[in-house]
Amino acid sequence: NAGVMQNPRHLVRRRGQEARLRCSPMKGHSHVYWYRQLPEEGLKFMVYLQKENIIDESGMPKERFSAEFPKEGPSILRIQQVVRGDSAAYFCASSPGTGSQPQHFGDGTRLSIL
Amino acid sequence: QKEVEQNSGPLSVPEGAIASLNCTYSDRGSQSFFWYRQYSGKSPELIMSIYSNGDKEDGRFTAQLNKASQYVSLLIRDSQPSDSATYLCAVNDSGGGADGLTFGKGTHLIIQP
Repeated sequence: NAGVMQNPRHLVRRRGQEARLRCSPMKGHSHVYWYRQLPEEGLKFMVYLQKENIIDESGMPKERFSAEFPKEGPSILRIQQVVRGDSAAYFCASSPGTGSQPQHFGDGTRLSIL
Repeated sequence: QKEVEQNSGPLSVPEGAIASLNCTYSDRGSQSFFWYRQYSGKSPELIMSIYSNGDKEDGRFTAQLNKASQYVSLLIRDSQPSDSATYLCAVNDSGGGADGLTFGKGTHLIIQP
């Protein structure tokens, strides 16, 4: 499968636990983006990363949320001490980052907080 | 604060007719414009991208861009029941995909058999 791979597809956590969401970009893509979609809401940009660099984190909540895209391995979106309001679908997208190439999305991780 | 506005719908269109979806955006610096289709419970799927004023056609889909009016539209010809979905308009500032996208809340399209 050459598409954007996200896992897990579904994640259940209790309040106060940590959630780790993983994303492997499409082959040949070096730019990764994370978006959050709350129920009945639109997609909201969170963070844009390239390998080992955070390019734009203007959409990230100031506390509890972090993201990384290491030299080896997938991009990780980490949510510490989760709260009920973190329940949402989290989508990862990737692009080559060069020229006029749009972003392609993975299947998402549905995060539920008990 | 960049904003992308879409009529939430639902927009109901008979099978075989033309569905017209509209979007306006607030940031005059926006360079790239995209239409994504999202089925319920699924991820967004890219339908069209457009970067310059005018029309761009791909199969049954035509995207239209008017930067002076800050307006983007998507036309779907010969609408099929499988076209029933939420259509998301997205924009960004860069000349391609290398920037975070700002999305509208989407228009829910229903194609009536």
